[in-house]
Amino acid sequence: QKEVEQNSGPLSVPEGAIASLNCTYSDRGSQSFFWYRQYSGKSPELIMFIYSNGDKEDGRFTAQLNKASQYVSLLIRDSQPSDSATYLCAVNADGNNRLAFGKGNQVVVIP
Amino acid sequence: EAGVTQFPSHSVIEKGQTVTLRCDPISGHDNLYWYRRVMGKEIKFLLHFVKESKQDESGMPNNRFLAERTGGTYSTLKVQPAELEDSGVYFCASSQATGGYGYTFGSGTRLTVV
Repeated sequence: QKEVEQNSGPLSVPEGAIASLNCTYSDRGSQSFFWYRQYSGKSPELIMFIYSNGDKEDGRFTAQLNKASQYVSLLIRDSQPSDSATYLCAVNADGNNRLAFGKGNQVVVIP
Repeated sequence: EAGVTQFPSHSVIEKGQTVTLRCDPISGHDNLYWYRRVMGKEIKFLLHFVKESKQDESGMPNNRFLAERTGGTYSTLKVQPAELEDSGVYFCASSQATGGYGYTFGSGTRLTVV
């Protein structure tokens, strides 16, 4: 069983729509959850982190965490072409400083 | 503030050769991490330095990989001898905070072993 799963294939959304990304994790003791954005050939860039159950909003981004169901999601509202990238879910899995990553979901925003 | 710098950005070597990757973290960041992404797979942890000490090297695949961080500044990751399966993108990250917070990643070194 993978530590972090992102199973959805590439996601195409029209400009202005909401993009929804999901991620599940296996370690129930995980403490911190992160969403990174990675443009092609560039470094992963942190866009959101969350550690409490519920929603956390930052601009057009909302992270949602449900520890009982072991999933974390990311919503991108009013999607823009500049949001086209790969989104990586990462989990601080066992209380140390190591991050476990999912494979990522590619988002394509169509003008 | 300068970011995390990695070089080379690309390296193509033959199987059996040696390659050394370098990472310069953000100044003042005690924590330095190496990660690797093999094509089609997720980014995987390799190891973690706190200053010059190896805090966690549980992700190092085998003894062909040697990481150092002399003086607690920049770090090198040497692969000797390289094998085909070592191909991938090697990312370095640094942070002041612990617990996975505050990572800044470098842009990676793409290693191709032929």
